[in-house]
Amino acid sequence: GENVEQHPSTLSVQEGDSAVIKCTYSDSASNYFPWYKQELGKRPQLIIDIRSNVGEKKDQRIAVTLNKTAKHFSLHITETQPEDSAVYFCAFHTGGGNKLTFGTGTQLKVEL
Amino acid sequence: EPEVTQTPSHQVTQMGQEVILRCVPISNHLYFYWYRQILGQKVEFLVSFYNNEISEKSEIFDDQFSVERPDGSNFTLKIRSTKLEDSAMYFCASSEEAGGSQPQHFGDGTRLSIL
Repeated sequence: GENVEQHPSTLSVQEGDSAVIKCTYSDSASNYFPWYKQELGKRPQLIIDIRSNVGEKKDQRIAVTLNKTAKHFSLHITETQPEDSAVYFCAFHTGGGNKLTFGTGTQLKVEL
Repeated sequence: EPEVTQTPSHQVTQMGQEVILRCVPISNHLYFYWYRQILGQKVEFLVSFYNNEISEKSEIFDDQFSVERPDGSNFTLKIRSTKLEDSAMYFCASSEEAGGSQPQHFGDGTRLSIL
């Protein structure tokens, strides 16, 4: 079945440093890869997404890269700020349906 | 910016009772979803709904669960004969078009506590 591995489970960085979170997925038919940020007790919030016909996408301090051959996709946050502290979930969508399969999450802590 | 809205924000129910969780998807969206998140765990897909019928459901979505779009705006999740393990955050989501690769936007969730 569909599966996605997400690493690391926790990540602590100093303010201003970069953070990278990686995911590996199982379904080669996957064509859509969103990233969600979830603050404590709140909704998952879509922060960036990438489709399978693109290798990289950037939105200000956030970027996502996709390697379809290796079935890897990564979230990159540059110049981290305390408000970036949250749990980040990768997800993927398979071509046969509309469901999202989520990773296990990364707790990012940005320290002053 | 349009948002998915969910009510109630918190529901406390005795085990064995029925609950109905309500959602108002974004108005021009055509695909609707329910997801579940047990405390401290990942988000899990329950069901997707399009054109007034279920398009896909997970193993979690057994006969205890049902969904309905009773009117032009609401989308509900009914859980019959609730169990302790049904305690979780339930998120509704919607996306704009049929077919894949469309962003799914989540509501604030309903925290369901089964006693």
